[in-house]
Amino acid sequence: AQKITQTQPGMFVQEKEAVTLDCTYDTSDPSYGLFWYKQPSSGEMIFLIYQGSYDQQNATEGRYSLNFQKARKSANLVISASQLGDSAMYFCAMREVFTGRRALTFGSGTRLQVQP
Amino acid sequence: NAGVTQTPKFQVLKTGQSMTLQCAQDMNHEYMSWYRQDPGMGLRLIHYSVGAGITDQGEVPNGYNVSRSTTEDFPLRLLSAAPSQTSVYFCASSYTGGGTEAFFGQGTRLTVV
Repeated sequence: AQKITQTQPGMFVQEKEAVTLDCTYDTSDPSYGLFWYKQPSSGEMIFLIYQGSYDQQNATEGRYSLNFQKARKSANLVISASQLGDSAMYFCAMREVFTGRRALTFGSGTRLQVQP
Repeated sequence: NAGVTQTPKFQVLKTGQSMTLQCAQDMNHEYMSWYRQDPGMGLRLIHYSVGAGITDQGEVPNGYNVSRSTTEDFPLRLLSAAPSQTSVYFCASSYTGGGTEAFFGQGTRLTVV
């Protein structure tokens, strides 16, 4: 079974609108972290936001927020007020603390295109 | 403030050739790892290391070797290149804590012909 599932291969959003990128995960590890990375067309991997499995509040970083629903095992990324520069691939990833080699396991990604 | 440095950025190999992808970090991170990125598949773990002298296999280790003689360096060796190894390779480093982000190198685009 896939550990990280991103069901939206591609998304379109109008500039200045909000968009939600979906991510569900599967783990039996009681301690884990969830990450979102952005990969623009230039290819580098840019860290956006982190949520720990024991964190009570949803993580926020500027225009990025993580909608963490632990019981549903979902960790959706919300981007508010989209900008043209947000057009990129977005990857959800998980690190399991006690299992999974402590490596990041990635989903297949969502390509976001922001339209003017 | 170099972070994670990968060399080369681009490489073309002939089938059967060997080469080493270099990775160095200057953040004193214990944990280093190599991933490959293929279209539509996200990043997959090749090998990883939790400290100098300690390495282990990831999800797709076949055809690759690693060593970790220092904290800073984690080279990836392709023993006998195959077209199936055409991919983009990323090196990453982090502290070993569960909540710490991984810092990535710029990537190496490898083509095997």
